[in-house]
Amino acid sequence: AQRVTQPEKLLSVFKGAPVELKCNYSYSGSPELFWYVQYSRQRLQLLLRHISRESIKGFTADLNKGETSFHLKKPFAQEEDSAMYYCALSYQGAQKLVFGQGTRLTINP
Amino acid sequence: DAMVIQNPRYQVTQFGKPVTLSCSQTLNHNVMYWYQQKSSQAPKLLFHYYDKDFNNEADTPDNFQSRRPNTSFCFLDIRSPGLGDAAMYLCATSRGGGGTSYEQYFGPGTRLTVT
Repeated sequence: AQRVTQPEKLLSVFKGAPVELKCNYSYSGSPELFWYVQYSRQRLQLLLRHISRESIKGFTADLNKGETSFHLKKPFAQEEDSAMYYCALSYQGAQKLVFGQGTRLTINP
Repeated sequence: DAMVIQNPRYQVTQFGKPVTLSCSQTLNHNVMYWYQQKSSQAPKLLFHYYDKDFNNEADTPDNFQSRRPNTSFCFLDIRSPGLGDAAMYLCATSRGGGGTSYEQYFGPGTRLTVT
C-alpha cells in the first residue's frame, strides 16, 4: 500500500536559517509527489510538484527514488513561511492523493 | 474568481441525525473529492467522482454517502452521525485524464460538530 511519512510533526527555525521538511514515501511504482501548504486561516493549496521541477516561494524539492524521499528545502526561511506542510503521493493516473501527517513549520523572528 | 465553495462552513448536528454537506465548483473540473480531516491528522480520502463515476475508498464507512447531480455540485451525506464523525470535511477538485495526477484545488472546509 502507498504510504507517506513526515517524521517531524513540529519544526521550528529562526528567520534566515535553512529549513528542510522531510518526506519519505512507500510505493513500488513511479510516484508523483507533491507538497501542499496550509497557511493560517487559508485553504490547503499546492506548493510544488516534482514533475514541474520549479522553485516556488524559494522552496525546492527533489525526488530521490533511491532513498524514496521528497524533502522540501529553502535556504533562507522567512516568517511568512510559517504554515502546515503536507507531503502527498499519487500514483500514475490514480487521480487521488495519499497525504503524510503534516509538519507544522514555525519561523521565529 | 474560479473556486471551490463549501457550505456551510460550520455545521452542528445531533448524534444520529442525518446531515448533508455541500460543495460547488466553478472550475469545470472532472474530478471532485471528499476528505475527512480530524484534529492533527492528515486529510483522509473518503471517495471521489470522476465525472459521474463514483469511486469509494475501501475503508470508508457505509454511513458516508455522496451524490453528484451535475458537474458543479457534489454532496456528502452522513446518514447517522456518530461522535467519531466530528471533523473537518474538505472538498477538492481537479482535472482528470491524461495518465497523470493534476493539482487538487481545495475548498475552505466544513467543520462538523456532533452533539
